Amino acid sequence: SQTIHQWPATLVQPVGSPLSLECTVEGTSNPNLYWYRQAAGRGLQLLFYSVGIGQISSEVPQNLSASRPQDRQFILSSKKLLLSDSGFYLCAWTLGSVEKLFFGSGTQLSVL
Amino acid sequence: GDSVTQMEGPVTLSEEAFLTINCTYTATGYPSLFWYVQYPGEGLQLLLKATKADDKGSNKGFEATYRKETTSFHLEKGSVQVSDSAVYFCALSGGGSYIPTFGRGTSLIVHP
Repeated sequence: SQTIHQWPATLVQPVGSPLSLECTVEGTSNPNLYWYRQAAGRGLQLLFYSVGIGQISSEVPQNLSASRPQDRQFILSSKKLLLSDSGFYLCAWTLGSVEKLFFGSGTQLSVL
Repeated sequence: GDSVTQMEGPVTLSEEAFLTINCTYTATGYPSLFWYVQYPGEGLQLLLKATKADDKGSNKGFEATYRKETTSFHLEKGSVQVSDSAVYFCALSGGGSYIPTFGRGTSLIVHP
């Protein structure tokens, strides 16, 4: 069966430090991959999505970047974190044009 | 573009009360409609879905009917439990798009 792993679960980072969040999917091939951010008490904001290795689409210009070095690996990065980068980050996957999404358990990022 | 509008929360109910969370959408073509649930500190998980007009999705006592004439997909449950306290997201996908559209989420709080 398919599973999605996202880590770390929580992260506290100082302003100006780098960031790397990793997401991997098991049990499927060529998934579409997504990074969402959820600010406290707010809805989902799509940050990046990818339909294949090396193919990244950015939905919101910002301080973050994403990479897909392998078929089932999706990485969210920043060179220098801002206070406004704090939030709950969710990775998700699906196959083909979107039917249901499968979400990871999320990373709570606090930038201090 | 596509959009999903959900009722503002929080919705506060007593245990065993009837629940309705309204969701309306605008979309081109014939999207699939979804309800996702997010428990505190977790990722989203699919609650139910409907893929065509007049379909009824159901799961764990929750139901929603795809109403094309009113462009709605309201979530209902006859008797809520404390364990149903969570944030509920209405979403749509379709038309070959890789990007699902989410509502802003509605927080449900159920008191004993």
